[in-house]
Amino acid sequence: AQTVTQSQPEMSVQEAETVTLSCTYDTSESNYYLFWYKQPPSRQMILVIRQEAYKQQNATENRFSVNFQKAAKSFSLKISDSQLGDTAMYFCAFMKHDLNYAANNLFFGTGTRLTVIP
Amino acid sequence: IAGITQAPTSQILAAGRRMTLRCTQDMRHNAMYWYRQDLGLGLRLIHYSNTAGTTGKGEVPDGYSVSRANTDDFPLTLASAVPSQTSVYFCASRTTGKANEQFFGPGTRLTVL
Repeated sequence: AQTVTQSQPEMSVQEAETVTLSCTYDTSESNYYLFWYKQPPSRQMILVIRQEAYKQQNATENRFSVNFQKAAKSFSLKISDSQLGDTAMYFCAFMKHDLNYAANNLFFGTGTRLTVIP
Repeated sequence: IAGITQAPTSQILAAGRRMTLRCTQDMRHNAMYWYRQDLGLGLRLIHYSNTAGTTGKGEVPDGYSVSRANTDDFPLTLASAVPSQTSVYFCASRTTGKANEQFFGPGTRLTVL
């Protein structure tokens, strides 16, 4: 079974500063996807960034980047130039890469609540 | 519509009542999912459907049932609601191919008294 661990229940960061959210996972799979989802107070789940495990290069999306360490099973999210709109719950998630597997569902961590302070 | 819609937005329900949460997507995705979100536990999979006509159990299926009569709709039914089913319920669908991204509906907040 897959497990995803987010060890930081809450974090805060000053506006315009940089913050890193931690995520570790446990799996015996060799090929998989990792995701960070953002859930603002509106409750909508929004995909922030995605990483394919077979890619060594870390994914980046504008102010968001990841540090993917496959051997250590670590997948941290860095938010640069934090903005007030980044205030949200952030979830790390894992998905097997197997197109024949029926579920291919997401396994989620418990989330980190990030507050950006003006 | 574009994306996934869920109904109702929120609901208060008496224990023992039957309730169906509706989910509709217009993206023609084959795979659909139901998750529940509870404080401190993240999101957990209840049931899934790989394609119309097939369904499967997730991590926490007890007390819930689903059906998938067509590609677009994936309703979740609580046959006899209990207070432990108080939660926020999210429906999702998944693209096929390399992208493998899941798209989520806006959620339904259900309170069982």
